[in-house]
Amino acid sequence: DAGVIQSPRHEVTEMGQEVTLRCKPISGHNSLFWYRQTMMRGLELLIYFNNNVPIDDSGMPEDRFSAKMPNASFSTLKIQPSEPRDSAVYFCASSFIGFTEAFFGQGTRLTVV
Amino acid sequence: GQNIDQPTEMTATEGAIVQINCTYQTSGFNGLFWYQQHAGEAPTFLSYNVLDGLEEKGRFSSFLSRSKGYSYLLLKELQMKDSASYLCAVGNTNAGKSTFGDGTTLTVKP
Repeated sequence: DAGVIQSPRHEVTEMGQEVTLRCKPISGHNSLFWYRQTMMRGLELLIYFNNNVPIDDSGMPEDRFSAKMPNASFSTLKIQPSEPRDSAVYFCASSFIGFTEAFFGQGTRLTVV
Repeated sequence: GQNIDQPTEMTATEGAIVQINCTYQTSGFNGLFWYQQHAGEAPTFLSYNVLDGLEEKGRFSSFLSRSKGYSYLLLKELQMKDSASYLCAVGNTNAGKSTFGDGTTLTVKP
């Protein structure tokens, strides 16, 4: 397996634009997580899914953020409209079960100018 | 909820031994993980402890005491490439997820 695949690796966008981050988890993993990492706040869990169903989205900052998992092999995190304070590295991770070892994608470095 | 504490920064010398501590408070405990994250890269799994005691894996060892809510990661024969952030994460069956600490940035100096 190629591991967790995220795209794009880097994204630079202007404030107010819509941003969509994509993730392909490891095949056979039942849990998928979206994290945001900044120097100030560390690694924050935004939302996670079990068997494609959102379980806990309490970490989603506000209504501008939304996440979907239409099937077991694909998830998106959307920010609309984007703001400069959304600039961060966004990681997607998957695991067999939610509380077991997580495998991280390489991340998407988002810069909103 | 969960509370995970680990030191923010540590410095050690190449060839030495360093111990990174992690304390936690949680219900529904289902294991403690250590991850390594080099600057600009993704976290990668290092170790997992679910029972009390020491787990050794090469130069890295991890210890767990469930009664004390305490774990440590021991790095021996430090190398410059060990300079990284080390994240402690606690698995929770009630929440169905793991929660990460803020990480310890280790700097290895010559």
